Amino acid sequence: DAKTTQPPSMDCAEGRAANLPCNHSTISGNEYVYWYRQIHSQGPQYIIHGLKNNETNEMASLIITEDRKSSTLILPHATLRDTAVYYCIVRAYFNTNAGKSTFGDGTTLTVKP
Amino acid sequence: DTEVTQTPKHLVMGMTNKKSLKCEQHMGHRAMYWYKQKAKKPPELMFVYSYEKLSINESVPSRFSPECPNSSLLNLHLHALQPEDSALYLCASSHPARTGVESTGELFFGEGSRLTVL
Repeated sequence: DAKTTQPPSMDCAEGRAANLPCNHSTISGNEYVYWYRQIHSQGPQYIIHGLKNNETNEMASLIITEDRKSSTLILPHATLRDTAVYYCIVRAYFNTNAGKSTFGDGTTLTVKP
Repeated sequence: DTEVTQTPKHLVMGMTNKKSLKCEQHMGHRAMYWYKQKAKKPPELMFVYSYEKLSINESVPSRFSPECPNSSLLNLHLHALQPEDSALYLCASSHPARTGVESTGELFFGEGSRLTVL
């Protein structure tokens, strides 16, 4: 599975959009980009995933560049409860076994009042 | 039911003890995972089971012994652990690929079992 690079920390004002970048320059054609977040001492929670098109769900939007070498997770109106560590993972989901999900170091997002 | 349940939530054990961590899901997932997470570090993959067969072992020491007795249950047997094995142990499940099931492929995590080895 491809390696990802994320900034170690970011701050965001409450109510503003939080844009979290991820670099995955060695991604291969069958690898999806997944985002998870982990609130202190809880299990990671799935947010969104995509292959090459931009995606949106009730939690967030995912923008993937045309060359697929980077992506941005957007939380449109950050709240204090969005303070967490955000992990970007690339994973070849459609392979013959369950596959690996290898976590990088993630970005600690702090939403401030 | 979209939950992964892990027991116990907290476990303290001595280096000579034998204990087990348990994980259960009823989402029909046929892939289950154990991760280990040290403080302020990302989760590290330990084992992957696919259709109740061990498919990935990330060179984990033999003092950790996984078991998947059926499609809903995953155990991690612990024996002769060291203090440095103290960590949060996370279980996750997902649909494996090519099941014909409409799935987004995400992992569902439990809340973890916090292990302290004295």
